[in-house]
Amino acid sequence: SQTIHQWPATLVQPVGSPLSLECTVEGTSNPNLYWYRQAAGRGLQLLFYSVGIGQISSEVPQNLSASRPQDRQFILSSKKLLLSDSGFYLCAWSVQDRVFGYTFGSGTRLTVV
Amino acid sequence: AQSVTQPDIHITVSEGASLELRCNYSYGATPYLFWYVQSPGQGLQLLLKYFSGDTLVQGIKGFEAEFKRSQSSFNLRKPSVHWSDAAEYFCAVGTTSGTYKYIFGTGTRLKVLA
Repeated sequence: SQTIHQWPATLVQPVGSPLSLECTVEGTSNPNLYWYRQAAGRGLQLLFYSVGIGQISSEVPQNLSASRPQDRQFILSSKKLLLSDSGFYLCAWSVQDRVFGYTFGSGTRLTVV
Repeated sequence: AQSVTQPDIHITVSEGASLELRCNYSYGATPYLFWYVQSPGQGLQLLLKYFSGDTLVQGIKGFEAEFKRSQSSFNLRKPSVHWSDAAEYFCAVGTTSGTYKYIFGTGTRLKVLA
């Protein structure tokens, strides 16, 4: 069966420090991969999505970047964190057909101090 | 552009009572619609989905949702709520732009009174 792993679960980082969040999917190949950020009362904001290795689409201009170095690996990064980067980050995957919906990881709670 | 509105930010119901969570969408064609549930500090779990066929969709945990095209709604229902249903619920609409992006509502937080 397919599983999605996301780590770390919790992270506290100082302003200006770098960030790397990792997400991996097992049990499937060529998934669509997504990074969402969730802020209180604001629902889920799509940050990046990828339909293949090295193919990254950015939804909003921001202080973050994403990479997909391998088929089932999706990384969210920042060179210098801002206070506004705090939030709950969720990775998700889907098959190459939207009707099946997303499967989400368990999320990373990022607090920038 | 596609959009999803969940008009109720918070809902409180007593255990055993019925539940209806509202979702309205804006989309030019037949949408793909989803309901997800999120427990505190966790990821989102798919409850049910609609993409064609019968407008009444059954999901996991005893939930169902009805697609009403005339009202642009996809409301989530449960006949008898359990304390374990306390969570945040998100409605989402799938786009047909070829990129398989979903637009999520802002969520409804459900509180269940014992």
